Amino acid sequence: DIQMTQSPSSLSASVGDRVTITCRASQTISRYLNWYQQKPGKAPKVLIYSASSLQSGVPSRFSGSGSGTDFTLTISSLQPEDFATYYCQQSYRTARTFGQGTKLEIK
Amino acid sequence: QLQLQESGPGLVKPSETLSLTCSVSGGSFSSSSYCWGWIRQPPGKGLEWIGNIYYTGSTDYNPSLKSRVTISVDTSRKQFSLNLSSVTAADTAVYYCARDSSSGWYDAFDIWGQGTMVTVSS
Repeated sequence: DIQMTQSPSSLSASVGDRVTITCRASQTISRYLNWYQQKPGKAPKVLIYSASSLQSGVPSRFSGSGSGTDFTLTISSLQPEDFATYYCQQSYRTARTFGQGTKLEIK
Repeated sequence: QLQLQESGPGLVKPSETLSLTCSVSGGSFSSSSYCWGWIRQPPGKGLEWIGNIYYTGSTDYNPSLKSRVTISVDTSRKQFSLNLSSVTAADTAVYYCARDSSSGWYDAFDIWGQGTMVTVSS
């Protein structure tokens, strides 16, 4: 199965900061990479699909890039509601896998 | 608006079988454009995909859980179910059901249930 590794595992930042989270796949997954946001006590919500496409209704400050094995999620200007945990997930293989998550905390 | 709702016991004894059902409402259930999945999250930890099922009954399972997992579907009731056998405390988690949509480059869990907490304890 395909292993997904995110970095960092946690990140402290301030409102207005630009932040980047990285996800690496153990083998090439083309652009079959999704990003999710999860807030405490809530189900995850898809932000980015196909590595760089913005899910409908998601603010444009979120963006994704990458292909093959290396991917990034960028938040251009952090807002208070963005403090959450972020997960990457590959959909290249029918056996889906998630990254371990990146917790974004307020500095 | 499509909605998913998990149901089942919140407490299961060690060595027994965990059984959950996900009911789908407000939209189509039988389409080749998506399948239905189970994902779990132990307290304070990350997301773990358990498996997916198509309306045809075709399944894919997490290799690490495959020997203990069965996912089934009832299209007439618009439900799919999870059975996880021989549970231990390590299976304590919030269990989510979700729709895995696939169309062209879009292939993501786009709609989720609210999740249900299952504790394994005697």
